[in-house]
Amino acid sequence: DAGVIQSPRHEVTEMGQEVTLRCKPISGHDYLFWYRQTMMRGLELLIYFNNNVPIDDSGMPEDRFSAKMPNASFSTLKIQPSEPRDSAVYFCASSLKGAPNQPQHFGDGTRLSIL
Amino acid sequence: GDSVTQMEGPVTLSEEAFLTINCTYTATGYPSLFWYVQYPGEGLQLLLKATKADDKGSNKGFEATYRKETTSFHLEKGSVQVSDSAVYFCALSDLSFQKLVFGTGTRLLVSP
Repeated sequence: DAGVIQSPRHEVTEMGQEVTLRCKPISGHDYLFWYRQTMMRGLELLIYFNNNVPIDDSGMPEDRFSAKMPNASFSTLKIQPSEPRDSAVYFCASSLKGAPNQPQHFGDGTRLSIL
Repeated sequence: GDSVTQMEGPVTLSEEAFLTINCTYTATGYPSLFWYVQYPGEGLQLLLKATKADDKGSNKGFEATYRKETTSFHLEKGSVQVSDSAVYFCALSDLSFQKLVFGTGTRLLVSP
Protein backbone atom coordinates (compact mmCIF):
# COMPACT_ATOMS: atom_id res chain seq x y z
CA ASP A 1 0.00 0.00 0.00
CA ALA A 2 1.19 3.48 -0.76
CA GLY A 3 1.80 5.61 2.28
CA VAL A 4 0.98 9.25 2.78
CA ILE A 5 2.34 11.18 -0.17
CA GLN A 6 3.44 14.79 0.16
CA SER A 7 4.62 17.17 -2.50
CA PRO A 8 6.87 18.89 -3.10
CA ARG A 9 9.64 17.37 -0.94
CA HIS A 10 11.53 20.65 -0.95
CA GLU A 11 10.40 24.19 -1.64
CA VAL A 12 12.53 27.30 -1.73
CA THR A 13 10.84 30.59 -2.43
CA GLU A 14 11.10 34.27 -1.64
CA MET A 15 9.13 35.97 1.05
CA GLY A 16 5.80 37.31 -0.06
CA GLN A 17 5.14 34.44 -2.45
CA GLU A 18 2.25 32.04 -2.10
CA VAL A 19 3.22 28.51 -1.09
CA THR A 20 1.02 25.46 -1.57
CA LEU A 21 1.82 22.15 0.06
CA ARG A 22 -0.02 19.02 -1.01
CA CYS A 23 -0.95 15.79 0.67
CA LYS A 24 -2.54 12.54 -0.44
CA PRO A 25 -3.60 10.47 2.57
CA ILE A 26 -3.74 6.70 2.69
CA SER A 27 -6.86 5.48 0.93
CA GLY A 28 -9.70 4.82 3.35
CA HIS A 29 -8.32 6.91 6.19
CA ASP A 30 -10.84 9.18 7.91
CA TYR A 31 -8.48 11.61 9.63
CA LEU A 32 -5.89 13.94 8.15
CA PHE A 33 -3.43 16.04 10.18
CA TRP A 34 -1.06 18.85 9.24
CA TYR A 35 2.01 19.40 11.45
CA ARG A 36 4.92 21.82 11.42
CA GLN A 37 8.33 20.87 12.79
CA THR A 38 11.04 23.36 13.75
CA MET A 39 14.08 23.15 15.99
CA MET A 40 12.71 25.87 18.26
CA ARG A 41 9.12 24.70 18.67
CA GLY A 42 9.31 20.98 17.91
CA LEU A 43 6.31 19.29 16.33
CA GLU A 44 3.14 21.39 16.30
CA LEU A 45 -0.31 20.31 15.16
CA LEU A 46 -1.70 22.96 12.83
CA ILE A 47 -5.09 21.56 11.84
CA TYR A 48 -6.87 18.27 11.44
CA PHE A 49 -9.80 17.00 9.41
CA ASN A 50 -12.31 14.21 9.93
CA ASN A 51 -14.12 13.01 6.82
CA ASN A 52 -12.88 16.11 4.95
CA VAL A 53 -14.30 18.52 7.56
CA PRO A 54 -11.89 20.70 9.58
CA ILE A 55 -12.30 19.81 13.25
CA ASP A 56 -9.66 21.85 15.03
CA ASP A 57 -7.63 24.64 13.46
CA SER A 58 -6.49 26.22 16.71
CA GLY A 59 -2.88 25.47 15.84
CA MET A 60 -2.90 27.51 12.63
CA PRO A 61 -0.51 30.32 13.45
CA GLU A 62 -2.03 33.17 11.49
CA ASP A 63 -4.57 34.11 8.85
CA ARG A 64 -1.80 33.72 6.30
CA PHE A 65 -2.23 29.96 6.73
CA SER A 66 -5.18 28.09 5.28
CA ALA A 67 -5.94 24.42 4.70
CA LYS A 68 -8.52 22.63 2.63
CA MET A 69 -9.59 19.09 2.01
CA PRO A 70 -11.86 19.12 -1.06
CA ASN A 71 -12.13 15.33 -1.13
CA ALA A 72 -11.02 12.25 0.77
CA SER A 73 -7.84 11.84 -1.23
CA PHE A 74 -6.36 15.32 -1.29
CA SER A 75 -5.52 18.18 1.03
CA THR A 76 -3.60 21.44 0.68
CA LEU A 77 -1.91 23.78 3.10
CA LYS A 78 -1.40 27.31 1.77
CA ILE A 79 0.68 30.15 3.09
CA GLN A 80 0.03 33.56 1.59
CA PRO A 81 2.07 35.69 1.86
CA SER A 82 4.98 33.60 3.07
CA GLU A 83 7.56 34.91 5.56
CA PRO A 84 11.04 33.66 6.53
CA ARG A 85 9.75 32.51 9.93
CA ASP A 86 7.50 30.01 8.10
CA SER A 87 10.60 28.02 7.17
CA ALA A 88 10.12 24.53 8.61
CA VAL A 89 9.35 20.95 7.72
CA TYR A 90 5.63 20.43 7.21
CA PHE A 91 4.21 16.95 7.73
CA CYS A 92 0.90 15.48 6.72
CA ALA A 93 -0.41 12.40 8.53
CA SER A 94 -3.52 10.28 8.23
CA SER A 95 -5.23 7.65 10.34
CA LEU A 96 -8.10 5.25 9.93
CA LYS A 97 -9.79 6.55 13.04
CA GLY A 98 -8.74 8.74 15.93
CA ALA A 99 -6.26 7.60 18.54
CA PRO A 100 -5.79 5.49 20.56
CA ASN A 101 -6.37 2.40 18.53
CA GLN A 102 -5.13 3.56 15.17
CA PRO A 103 -1.67 4.99 14.60
CA GLN A 104 -1.05 8.10 12.58
CA HIS A 105 0.87 7.47 9.35
CA PHE A 106 3.18 10.30 8.39
CA GLY A 107 4.42 11.41 5.01
CA ASP A 108 8.08 12.25 4.48
CA GLY A 109 7.40 15.96 4.80
CA THR A 110 7.96 19.11 2.78
CA ARG A 111 11.04 21.09 3.72
CA LEU A 112 10.10 24.73 3.18
CA SER A 113 12.65 27.54 3.03
CA ILE A 114 11.47 31.12 2.72
CA LEU A 115 14.27 33.50 1.75
CA GLY B 1 -3.84 21.18 29.19
CA ASP B 2 -2.29 17.84 28.33
CA SER B 3 1.47 17.76 27.94
CA VAL B 4 4.41 15.40 27.49
CA THR B 5 7.91 15.97 28.85
CA GLN B 6 10.91 14.13 27.48
CA MET B 7 14.53 14.11 28.55
CA GLU B 8 16.80 16.49 26.71
CA GLY B 9 19.06 15.06 24.08
CA PRO B 10 21.17 14.09 22.44
CA VAL B 11 21.66 10.75 24.08
CA THR B 12 24.99 9.33 22.93
CA LEU B 13 25.69 5.62 23.37
CA SER B 14 28.04 2.97 22.10
CA GLU B 15 26.64 -0.01 20.23
CA GLU B 16 25.19 -2.73 22.53
CA ALA B 17 24.68 -0.28 25.40
CA PHE B 18 21.42 -0.13 27.36
CA LEU B 19 19.02 2.67 26.46
CA THR B 20 16.53 4.58 28.56
CA ILE B 21 14.69 7.65 27.32
CA ASN B 22 12.49 9.18 29.99
CA CYS B 23 8.95 10.39 29.30
CA THR B 24 6.41 11.77 31.74
CA TYR B 25 3.00 13.16 31.01
CA THR B 26 0.22 15.35 32.38
CA ALA B 27 -3.28 14.55 31.24
CA THR B 28 -6.92 14.57 32.19
CA GLY B 29 -8.28 11.08 32.47
CA TYR B 30 -6.44 8.04 31.17
CA PRO B 31 -4.81 8.70 27.84
CA SER B 32 -3.17 6.17 25.56
CA LEU B 33 0.59 6.53 25.23
CA PHE B 34 2.84 6.15 22.23
CA TRP B 35 6.44 6.22 21.12
CA TYR B 36 7.16 7.37 17.57
CA VAL B 37 10.56 7.30 15.83
CA GLN B 38 11.85 9.65 13.13
CA TYR B 39 14.80 8.63 10.98
CA PRO B 40 16.73 11.33 9.10
CA GLY B 41 14.78 12.81 6.21
CA GLU B 42 11.64 10.83 7.00
CA GLY B 43 8.33 11.29 8.76
CA LEU B 44 7.45 9.81 12.13
CA GLN B 45 6.63 6.12 12.47
CA LEU B 46 4.79 4.44 15.31
CA LEU B 47 7.22 2.38 17.36
CA LEU B 48 4.96 1.09 20.13
CA LYS B 49 1.90 1.98 22.17
CA ALA B 50 0.05 1.19 25.41
CA THR B 51 -3.61 1.94 25.94
CA LYS B 52 -4.09 1.34 29.68
CA ALA B 53 -2.21 1.32 32.94
CA ASP B 54 0.41 -1.44 33.38
CA ASP B 55 0.31 -2.29 29.67
CA LYS B 56 3.69 -2.88 28.10
CA GLY B 57 4.23 -1.91 24.50
CA SER B 58 7.07 -3.57 22.61
CA ASN B 59 8.54 -3.60 19.11
CA LYS B 60 11.97 -4.20 17.54
CA GLY B 61 13.52 -4.80 20.97
CA PHE B 62 12.14 -1.56 22.42
CA GLU B 63 9.79 -1.62 25.40
CA ALA B 64 7.80 0.87 27.44
CA THR B 65 5.41 0.32 30.35
CA TYR B 66 2.45 2.59 31.11
CA ARG B 67 2.94 3.63 34.76
CA LYS B 68 -0.10 5.51 36.01
CA GLU B 69 1.28 6.00 39.52
CA THR B 70 4.32 7.87 38.21
CA THR B 71 2.65 9.19 35.01
CA SER B 72 5.56 7.83 33.01
CA PHE B 73 6.21 5.86 29.84
CA HIS B 74 9.97 5.42 29.64
CA LEU B 75 11.46 3.84 26.51
CA GLU B 76 14.06 1.09 26.99
CA LYS B 77 16.17 -1.19 24.84
CA GLY B 78 18.66 -3.70 26.13
CA SER B 79 21.23 -3.42 23.35
CA VAL B 80 21.16 -0.53 20.87
CA GLN B 81 22.49 -0.67 17.33
CA VAL B 82 23.88 2.03 15.09
CA SER B 83 20.69 1.75 13.03
CA ASP B 84 18.66 2.90 16.07
CA SER B 85 20.10 6.40 15.68
CA ALA B 86 17.04 8.61 15.24
CA VAL B 87 14.78 11.05 17.07
CA TYR B 88 12.26 9.48 19.45
CA PHE B 89 8.96 11.16 20.34
CA CYS B 90 6.72 10.32 23.24
CA ALA B 91 3.04 11.17 22.72
CA LEU B 92 -0.36 10.82 24.33
CA SER B 93 -3.86 10.82 22.94
CA ASP B 94 -5.98 13.71 24.11
CA LEU B 95 -9.33 13.27 25.86
CA SER B 96 -11.19 13.28 22.57
CA PHE B 97 -8.99 10.41 21.38
CA GLN B 98 -8.78 12.15 18.04
CA LYS B 99 -5.39 13.81 18.17
CA LEU B 100 -1.97 13.30 19.69
CA VAL B 101 0.12 15.56 21.92
CA PHE B 102 3.83 15.08 21.24
CA GLY B 103 6.89 15.69 23.37
CA THR B 104 9.82 17.67 22.00
CA GLY B 105 11.72 14.58 20.88
CA THR B 106 15.01 13.05 22.03
CA ARG B 107 17.83 12.47 19.58
CA LEU B 108 19.70 9.18 19.99
CA LEU B 109 23.18 8.79 18.52
CA VAL B 110 24.72 5.31 18.56
CA SER B 111 28.37 4.89 17.62
CA PRO B 112 30.06 1.64 16.54
